Amino acid sequence: EAAVTQSPRNKVTVTGGNVTLSCRQTNSHNYMYWYRQDTGHGLRLIHYSYGAGNLQIGDVPDGYKATRTTQEDFFLLLELASPSQTSLYFCASSDPGGDSYEQYFGPGTRLTVL
Amino acid sequence: EQQVQQSPASLVLQEGENAELQCSFSIFTNQVQWFYQRPGGRLVSLLYNPSGTKQSGRLTSTTVIKERRSSLHISSSQITDSGTYLCAMDTGYQNFYFGKGTSLTVIP
Repeated sequence: EAAVTQSPRNKVTVTGGNVTLSCRQTNSHNYMYWYRQDTGHGLRLIHYSYGAGNLQIGDVPDGYKATRTTQEDFFLLLELASPSQTSLYFCASSDPGGDSYEQYFGPGTRLTVL
Repeated sequence: EQQVQQSPASLVLQEGENAELQCSFSIFTNQVQWFYQRPGGRLVSLLYNPSGTKQSGRLTSTTVIKERRSSLHISSSQITDSGTYLCAMDTGYQNFYFGKGTSLTVIP
């Protein structure tokens, strides 16, 4: 099974602070994703990437930057965090070049912006 | 517009009963995946079912592309099945949309 890890698992910051969330996958998947999950909204796609150096915009990109430095590593950056960005963030990976588009998720990062 | 609708929003079963969860899509898709999640927990992939019927243990998923829907049947429910079940679809551009989930509670 695909291995996707995230760090940190929990993060508390203040309004205006800088936050970087990290994600690593070790199964050579081409696609990586960042989602946020909020009560009443479900999971929403922030950004995704199909390879190192590539970035695609998802449905809720405002206030977020992302960077894919290698095939394994995908980072989500909040440069001026706001309380509205308090959420549970998930990273996922998939390899649609194969037979399956199945997504594999990391354990999540709970971010609180005070 | 909500791209993925799930029903029911919540369900309470007695242990041993069967559950039928539904997912409908606003567009045609042939990439459908079902997930399980405990509160605040990781999404665990249950079944990837782009079309037809697929089974894994007590779980059976049926996806009918032309009707833009997918279902998940859980047979002989157990207390440990309690949690949230999510379905997701791909629009064809590796842009996945998720439903808001069905919250399942199985009681003794």
